[in-house]
Amino acid sequence: QVQLVESGGGVVQPGRSLRLSCAASGFTFSSYGMHWVRQAPGKGLEWVAVIYFDGSNKYYADSVKGRFTISRDNSKNTLYLQMNSLRDEDTAVYYCAGRDQPFDYWGPGTLVTVSS
Amino acid sequence: EIVMTQSPATLSVSPGERATLYCRASQSVSRNLAWYQQKPGQAPRLLIFGASTRATGIPARFSGSGSGTEFTLTISSLQSEDFAGFYCQQYDNWPLTFGGGTKVEIK
Repeated sequence: QVQLVESGGGVVQPGRSLRLSCAASGFTFSSYGMHWVRQAPGKGLEWVAVIYFDGSNKYYADSVKGRFTISRDNSKNTLYLQMNSLRDEDTAVYYCAGRDQPFDYWGPGTLVTVSS
Repeated sequence: EIVMTQSPATLSVSPGERATLYCRASQSVSRNLAWYQQKPGQAPRLLIFGASTRATGIPARFSGSGSGTEFTLTISSLQSEDFAGFYCQQYDNWPLTFGGGTKVEIK
Protein backbone atom coordinates (compact mmCIF):
# COMPACT_ATOMS: atom_id res chain seq x y z
CA GLN A 1 0.00 0.00 0.00
CA VAL A 2 1.06 3.58 -0.56
CA GLN A 3 2.98 5.11 2.33
CA LEU A 4 4.52 8.52 2.86
CA VAL A 5 6.54 9.08 6.01
CA GLU A 6 8.09 12.42 6.91
CA SER A 7 11.08 12.93 9.18
CA GLY A 8 13.51 15.65 10.20
CA GLY A 9 11.24 17.96 12.18
CA GLY A 10 12.23 19.46 15.50
CA VAL A 11 12.95 22.68 17.36
CA VAL A 12 15.21 25.18 15.60
CA GLN A 13 16.21 28.77 16.31
CA PRO A 14 15.14 31.61 14.00
CA GLY A 15 17.56 32.09 11.13
CA ARG A 16 18.77 28.50 11.22
CA SER A 17 18.20 25.67 8.74
CA LEU A 18 16.47 22.31 8.73
CA ARG A 19 15.99 19.58 6.14
CA LEU A 20 12.86 17.47 5.99
CA SER A 21 12.64 14.10 4.27
CA CYS A 22 9.69 12.07 3.04
CA ALA A 23 10.16 8.37 2.35
CA ALA A 24 7.71 6.99 -0.21
CA SER A 25 6.73 3.39 -0.82
CA GLY A 26 4.00 1.34 -2.47
CA PHE A 27 3.95 3.19 -5.77
CA THR A 28 6.26 4.22 -8.62
CA PHE A 29 7.64 7.36 -6.96
CA SER A 30 9.54 8.47 -10.07
CA SER A 31 6.27 8.80 -12.04
CA TYR A 32 4.59 11.42 -9.89
CA GLY A 33 4.90 15.03 -8.85
CA MET A 34 5.14 15.51 -5.10
CA HIS A 35 4.28 18.36 -2.75
CA TRP A 36 4.89 19.81 0.68
CA VAL A 37 1.93 21.29 2.57
CA ARG A 38 2.07 22.86 6.03
CA GLN A 39 -0.36 23.69 8.80
CA ALA A 40 0.44 26.16 11.57
CA PRO A 41 -0.99 25.28 15.00
CA GLY A 42 -4.75 25.77 14.98
CA LYS A 43 -4.70 27.14 11.44
CA GLY A 44 -5.63 25.97 7.95
CA LEU A 45 -3.65 24.24 5.24
CA GLU A 46 -1.00 26.08 3.23
CA TRP A 47 0.57 24.62 0.11
CA VAL A 48 4.36 25.10 0.19
CA ALA A 49 6.02 23.61 -2.88
CA VAL A 50 5.84 21.09 -5.71
CA ILE A 51 8.42 19.19 -7.71
CA TYR A 52 7.62 17.46 -10.97
CA PHE A 53 8.15 13.70 -11.34
CA ASP A 54 11.57 14.14 -12.93
CA GLY A 55 12.63 17.21 -10.96
CA SER A 56 12.42 19.38 -14.07
CA ASN A 57 10.08 21.96 -12.58
CA LYS A 58 9.58 23.35 -9.11
CA TYR A 59 7.10 25.91 -7.81
CA TYR A 60 6.88 27.59 -4.42
CA ALA A 61 4.48 29.60 -2.32
CA ASP A 62 5.52 33.26 -2.12
CA SER A 63 5.91 32.90 1.66
CA VAL A 64 8.85 30.48 1.24
CA LYS A 65 10.31 31.44 -2.14
CA GLY A 66 14.04 32.05 -1.92
CA ARG A 67 14.32 30.35 1.49
CA PHE A 68 13.03 26.80 0.90
CA THR A 69 14.18 24.32 -1.74
CA ILE A 70 12.30 21.19 -2.75
CA SER A 71 14.21 18.28 -4.23
CA ARG A 72 13.90 14.54 -4.77
CA ASP A 73 16.04 11.44 -5.18
CA ASN A 74 14.12 8.98 -7.32
CA SER A 75 16.74 6.28 -6.71
CA LYS A 76 15.91 6.47 -3.00
CA ASN A 77 12.16 7.15 -3.34
CA THR A 78 12.65 10.21 -1.16
CA LEU A 79 11.38 13.79 -1.25
CA TYR A 80 13.20 16.61 0.56
CA LEU A 81 12.53 20.13 1.76
CA GLN A 82 15.56 22.24 2.62
CA MET A 83 14.42 25.12 4.83
CA ASN A 84 16.83 28.03 5.36
CA SER A 85 16.49 31.34 7.20
CA LEU A 86 13.65 29.95 9.27
CA ARG A 87 11.18 32.35 10.86
CA ASP A 88 8.74 32.08 13.73
CA GLU A 89 5.90 31.93 11.22
CA ASP A 90 7.33 28.77 9.66
CA THR A 91 6.28 26.85 12.78
CA ALA A 92 3.88 24.17 11.53
CA VAL A 93 3.25 20.53 10.87
CA TYR A 94 4.77 19.78 7.46
CA TYR A 95 3.06 17.17 5.32
CA CYS A 96 4.42 15.37 2.31
CA ALA A 97 1.57 14.87 -0.18
CA GLY A 98 1.01 13.43 -3.64
CA ARG A 99 0.66 11.95 -6.09
CA ASP A 100 0.47 14.86 -8.51
CA GLN A 101 -2.62 16.94 -7.72
CA PRO A 102 -5.03 16.73 -6.08
CA PHE A 103 -3.39 14.90 -3.23
CA ASP A 104 -4.65 11.36 -2.88
CA TYR A 105 -2.00 10.44 -0.32
CA TRP A 106 -0.57 12.31 2.66
CA GLY A 107 2.05 11.47 5.25
CA PRO A 108 1.30 11.81 8.98
CA GLY A 109 3.34 15.01 9.13
CA THR A 110 6.39 16.21 11.03
CA LEU A 111 6.35 19.18 13.43
CA VAL A 112 8.78 22.05 12.92
CA THR A 113 8.99 24.57 15.75
CA VAL A 114 10.98 27.75 15.19
CA SER A 115 11.75 29.32 18.53
CA SER A 116 14.61 30.95 20.37
CA GLU B 1 -2.79 33.96 -6.74
CA ILE B 2 -6.31 32.51 -6.69
CA VAL B 3 -8.03 33.17 -3.37
CA MET B 4 -10.39 30.46 -2.12
CA THR B 5 -13.12 31.53 0.31
CA GLN B 6 -15.09 28.97 2.30
CA SER B 7 -18.34 29.52 4.16
CA PRO B 8 -19.49 29.22 6.79
CA ALA B 9 -16.43 29.02 9.05
CA THR B 10 -18.38 26.81 11.45
CA LEU B 11 -21.49 24.74 10.79
CA SER B 12 -23.50 23.22 13.65
CA VAL B 13 -25.54 20.22 12.50
CA SER B 14 -27.38 17.38 14.23
CA PRO B 15 -26.52 13.77 13.30
CA GLY B 16 -28.67 12.58 10.42
CA GLU B 17 -29.15 16.08 9.03
CA ARG B 18 -27.80 17.46 5.75
CA ALA B 19 -24.78 19.75 5.69
CA THR B 20 -23.93 22.10 2.84
CA LEU B 21 -20.51 23.73 2.60
CA TYR B 22 -19.53 26.44 0.13
CA CYS B 23 -16.31 27.37 -1.62
CA ARG B 24 -15.76 30.36 -3.88
CA ALA B 25 -12.74 31.07 -6.09
CA SER B 26 -11.55 34.59 -6.92
CA GLN B 27 -11.31 33.56 -10.58
CA SER B 28 -12.41 30.55 -12.58
CA VAL B 29 -10.71 27.26 -11.74
CA SER B 30 -12.86 25.30 -14.20
CA ARG B 31 -13.58 22.01 -12.39
CA ASN B 32 -10.09 21.70 -10.89
CA LEU B 33 -11.42 21.74 -7.36
CA ALA B 34 -10.90 19.22 -4.57
CA TRP B 35 -12.38 18.78 -1.10
CA TYR B 36 -10.49 17.32 1.87
CA GLN B 37 -11.64 16.20 5.31
CA GLN B 38 -9.36 16.56 8.31
CA LYS B 39 -9.92 15.19 11.79
CA PRO B 40 -7.98 16.50 14.81
CA GLY B 41 -4.43 15.16 14.94
CA GLN B 42 -4.69 13.53 11.51
CA ALA B 43 -3.58 14.32 8.00
CA PRO B 44 -6.24 15.49 5.54
CA ARG B 45 -8.05 12.93 3.41
CA LEU B 46 -9.15 13.49 -0.18
CA LEU B 47 -12.93 13.34 -0.53
CA ILE B 48 -13.77 14.87 -3.92
CA PHE B 49 -11.75 15.83 -7.00
CA GLY B 50 -12.77 17.29 -10.33
CA ALA B 51 -15.45 19.18 -8.36
CA SER B 52 -17.77 16.17 -8.22
CA THR B 53 -15.89 12.84 -8.39
CA ARG B 54 -15.64 10.92 -5.14
CA ALA B 55 -12.21 9.59 -4.26
CA THR B 56 -11.69 5.89 -3.68
CA GLY B 57 -13.59 4.59 -0.66
CA ILE B 58 -15.56 7.77 0.00
CA PRO B 59 -19.21 7.09 0.93
CA ALA B 60 -21.98 8.17 -1.42
CA ARG B 61 -23.38 10.58 1.21
CA PHE B 62 -20.58 12.96 0.18
CA SER B 63 -21.24 14.83 -3.05
CA GLY B 64 -19.68 17.81 -4.77
CA SER B 65 -20.97 20.19 -7.39
CA GLY B 66 -20.11 23.41 -9.16
CA SER B 67 -17.71 24.80 -11.72
CA GLY B 68 -15.91 28.02 -12.46
CA THR B 69 -15.97 30.00 -9.22
CA GLU B 70 -18.78 28.47 -7.13
CA PHE B 71 -18.60 25.04 -5.52
CA THR B 72 -20.57 23.06 -2.97
CA LEU B 73 -19.88 20.02 -0.81
CA THR B 74 -22.98 18.28 0.52
CA ILE B 75 -23.09 15.61 3.19
CA SER B 76 -26.55 14.13 2.85
CA SER B 77 -26.96 12.60 6.31
CA LEU B 78 -24.24 13.35 8.82
CA GLN B 79 -22.74 10.40 10.65
CA SER B 80 -20.76 10.72 13.88
CA GLU B 81 -17.50 10.14 12.04
CA ASP B 82 -18.17 13.06 9.65
CA PHE B 83 -17.72 15.81 12.22
CA ALA B 84 -14.40 17.35 11.23
CA GLY B 85 -12.76 20.16 9.30
CA PHE B 86 -13.24 20.46 5.55
CA TYR B 87 -11.04 22.30 3.07
CA CYS B 88 -11.45 23.10 -0.60
CA GLN B 89 -8.39 23.41 -2.86
CA GLN B 90 -7.94 24.66 -6.39
CA TYR B 91 -5.37 22.91 -8.54
CA ASP B 92 -5.96 24.86 -11.73
CA ASN B 93 -3.07 27.30 -11.31
CA TRP B 94 0.19 27.69 -9.40
CA PRO B 95 0.38 28.42 -6.58
CA LEU B 96 -2.14 25.86 -5.43
CA THR B 97 -4.39 27.39 -2.81
CA PHE B 98 -6.69 26.15 -0.07
CA GLY B 99 -9.75 27.74 1.42
CA GLY B 100 -9.69 28.70 5.06
CA GLY B 101 -11.79 25.70 6.06
CA THR B 102 -15.21 24.89 7.50
CA LYS B 103 -15.54 23.13 10.82
CA VAL B 104 -18.61 20.88 11.01
CA GLU B 105 -19.56 20.39 14.64
CA ILE B 106 -22.28 18.53 16.48
CA LYS B 107 -25.33 20.65 17.28
